[in-house]
Amino acid sequence: NAGVTQTPKFRVLKTGQSMTLLCAQDMNHEYMYWYRQDPGMGLRLIHYSVGEGTTAKGEVPDGYNVSRLKKQNFLLGLESAAPSQTSVYFCASSRDGRPNTEAFFGQGTRLTVV
Amino acid sequence: LAKTTQPISMDSYEGQEVNITCSHNNIATNDYITWYQQFPSQGPRFIIQGYKTKVTNEVASLFIPADRKSSTLSLPRVSLSDTAVYYCPKTSYDKVIFGPGTSLSVIP
Repeated sequence: NAGVTQTPKFRVLKTGQSMTLLCAQDMNHEYMYWYRQDPGMGLRLIHYSVGEGTTAKGEVPDGYNVSRLKKQNFLLGLESAAPSQTSVYFCASSRDGRPNTEAFFGQGTRLTVV
Repeated sequence: LAKTTQPISMDSYEGQEVNITCSHNNIATNDYITWYQQFPSQGPRFIIQGYKTKVTNEVASLFIPADRKSSTLSLPRVSLSDTAVYYCPKTSYDKVIFGPGTSLSVIP
């Protein structure tokens, strides 16, 4: 059982380039999340989805877009990368929105924008 | 969505009990209190959850007072492998909001 898988694990981009981060979960979870983690900032929520075909903004959505065309996948896009988007990105999923639901995290994607 | 509050860092010697407290001033009636652990270069992982009173599992204990405005994560007899960041995120019906967490350093 793979859980939550993020692709790629590492990436270096030049300023202005675009890329898509892929998150896949095999637990049939309804909810999925994208976070970024910067030193001293903890995890900050970028976007999230409460089901296939839905997306919503989190704490820091600017400069990112997301899509949830299939229940098992949640894509995070950077249309024009900036150095401020250098970070470690984590995807997570949870069964549903019930208050006792736990979130399962991927291993992270380390992105550097030069 | 107001975040929870916890100390930024703590140090402890091996073999000691460590208690990390989190403030949940904006907790809702239906909210559960959940703690996560994150090792370097890994994603956070769930370690314990409770609604009220005390919960214990093989990793930790969680103490929640009657008013539920705070919680205390207790790690018995820590070892070097317990060095990690510990989070008590704010949860709502549709999202989980993390703060900076508490960075625990265990000293030999």
